[in-house]
Amino acid sequence: GNSVTQMEGPVTLSEEAFLTINCTYTATGYPSLFWYVQYPGEGLQLLLKATKADDKGSNKGFEATYRKETTSFHLEKGSVQVSDSAVYFCALREETSGSRLTFGEGTQLTVNP
Amino acid sequence: GAVVSQHPSWVICKSGTSVKIECRSLDFQATTMFWYRQFPKQSLMLMATSNEGSKATYEQGVEKDKFLINHASLTLSTLTVTSAHPEDSSFYICSALGWGYEQYFGPGTRLTVT
Repeated sequence: GNSVTQMEGPVTLSEEAFLTINCTYTATGYPSLFWYVQYPGEGLQLLLKATKADDKGSNKGFEATYRKETTSFHLEKGSVQVSDSAVYFCALREETSGSRLTFGEGTQLTVNP
Repeated sequence: GAVVSQHPSWVICKSGTSVKIECRSLDFQATTMFWYRQFPKQSLMLMATSNEGSKATYEQGVEKDKFLINHASLTLSTLTVTSAHPEDSSFYICSALGWGYEQYFGPGTRLTVT
């Protein structure tokens, strides 16, 4: 079956530090890949996505590249801000599963001033 | 565009009572909505898929009679937690399926059962 594995958190960084959150996946076909962000007490917001190999999703300074050869979709940001503190979820959607999303465990990010 | 709302945002109820949570797609029609449950510091667990005009499809291990789902219109799905108990306390999140098979998430409902 499908699965998503994220690096364990929590992650604590200082403001302006470089961020990487690792995400790897297992899928039988060619999934679309997503990063969602959840701020405290809120639902999920789509941060970025990529639908095919070598695509790069980007938004708000965050980037992730769909790497089929390593089955990875690592999230990066060059300079984090305090306002980036949130939980980040990696997810995939398999073509054959219709609209179902499979989520990773989530990674808590705290950015200190 | 693609805004999903939930009501209430938080609710406290006594053990044994029932509570209804609404999920609305405000600016688009959604034939399919999803209900998730999220425990503290954990990922989202899909509870059921709600389809307008038909019965919901529940995930394995989710009690149909306890978590009643109704999707009576293209913009509204409701989740009723019947005879709630403290172990039902959780954060419930809905999503609505929009254009391009994207899920748009509501802000969540915090349920506390005392």
